Amino acid sequence: DTAVSQTPKYLVTQMGNDKSIKCEQNLGHDTMYWYKQDSKKFLKIMFSYNNKELIINETVPNRFSPKSPDKAHLNLHINSLELGDSAVYFCASRQTGTSEQYFGPGTRLTVT
Amino acid sequence: GDSVTQMEGPVTLSEEAFLTINCTYTATGYPSLFWYVQYPGEGLQLLLKATKADDKGSNKGFEATYRKETTSFHLEKGSVQVSDSAVYFCALSEDSNYQLIWGAGTKLIIKP
Repeated sequence: DTAVSQTPKYLVTQMGNDKSIKCEQNLGHDTMYWYKQDSKKFLKIMFSYNNKELIINETVPNRFSPKSPDKAHLNLHINSLELGDSAVYFCASRQTGTSEQYFGPGTRLTVT
Repeated sequence: GDSVTQMEGPVTLSEEAFLTINCTYTATGYPSLFWYVQYPGEGLQLLLKATKADDKGSNKGFEATYRKETTSFHLEKGSVQVSDSAVYFCALSEDSNYQLIWGAGTKLIIKP
């Protein structure tokens, strides 16, 4: 009964490829996030969706495109992968009116 | 804008030592304050929180008190264990938007 799940857990790919990461939450939350965590553990918010609507879009290359087919799912597609995209990507969710975020286990992306 | 500053890591302690990880914040209003923990290879999880001045959050032997006069929320534990080795993140949230503002994280290493 995993609350926030992500697939895949590990992703190794070559520069220039296109890849997707999927996230699903079964908590009934209506807000979801994508974060990037670098090798120094710094967390950077990338996107936030509320009820399938984009509400936060930080300065992220437009090679990154989020998609929310419904409020339980938020996917991240990355085009033309670069070495600097190597990081751990976390999905998180929260319920409207609360601050606590619930995180997925992360997807470690390695671009070679 | 709002911000969170944590002491730089890594913090290395021996088992059963006393732990303090400093966290200070700047905010325009009266934020809620959080500590999250990230164990190796996992996502972040909420450790404790406090929603108003002088509140004390506690969980798993960890405590933090919301100090408005010093704008601080330092994390403490009286006797750490090897299993406490993790990265600890301090964060704040304003009720106006419920978004979390994150500190840079502090890596804690406990040696047996």
